[in-house]
Amino acid sequence: DTAVSQTPKYLVTQMGNDKSIKCEQNLGHDTMYWYKQDSKKFLKIMFSYNNKELIINETVPNRFSPKSPDKAHLNLHINSLELGDSAVYFCASSQDRGSVRQGVTQYFGPGTRLLVL
Amino acid sequence: AQKVTQAQTEISVVEKEDVTLDCVYETRDTTYYLFWYKQPPSGELVFLIRRNSFDEQNEISGRYSWNFQKSTSSFNFTITASQVVDSAVYFCALSDNFGNEKLTFGTGTRLTIIP
Repeated sequence: DTAVSQTPKYLVTQMGNDKSIKCEQNLGHDTMYWYKQDSKKFLKIMFSYNNKELIINETVPNRFSPKSPDKAHLNLHINSLELGDSAVYFCASSQDRGSVRQGVTQYFGPGTRLLVL
Repeated sequence: AQKVTQAQTEISVVEKEDVTLDCVYETRDTTYYLFWYKQPPSGELVFLIRRNSFDEQNEISGRYSWNFQKSTSSFNFTITASQVVDSAVYFCALSDNFGNEKLTFGTGTRLTIIP
């Protein structure tokens, strides 16, 4: 009964290749995210989708393209992989709107460790 | 712009000691949300706590406690009687809009508990 799952867990590939990472959540959440964690452990948002619509795109190269076929899935496709793309990519999800007093929580998947050679 | 500062890059303590992880934040929003996440050596990100800006009540959960002080823009995390399983990187994060948009993370504090 995994809440947020990602595949694959590890991805080793050559520079220039195209690869995809898949994310699925079974929490019934409306909003999904992609975060990148670099080698220094710094976490930064890349994209956010709400009900299949893009709501956040944080100055990410065009080689990264998120796709949300339905609100339970948010995939990340990366074209022409570069050495600098090596990182851990985390998917997360949250409820649509909480109350102001409560707020909402983002729950993270296990991460996908991408290594570009 | 939002910013979260975790000035302690690494902390090592001997098992059973208490340890406090500091978090200082900056935001111009009047309503915001603060979070702590744990990243154990296995790599996943585990949610620990959410606190909204209205509620300055401190919280205790077992050996964990959190001290939110709006006056100093701090949201510190204390582990009492630390255990080896507490060894991890701990991230403080900030968000507005109910927490439903991007989380701004601090750079993390690597905590090592020495047996």
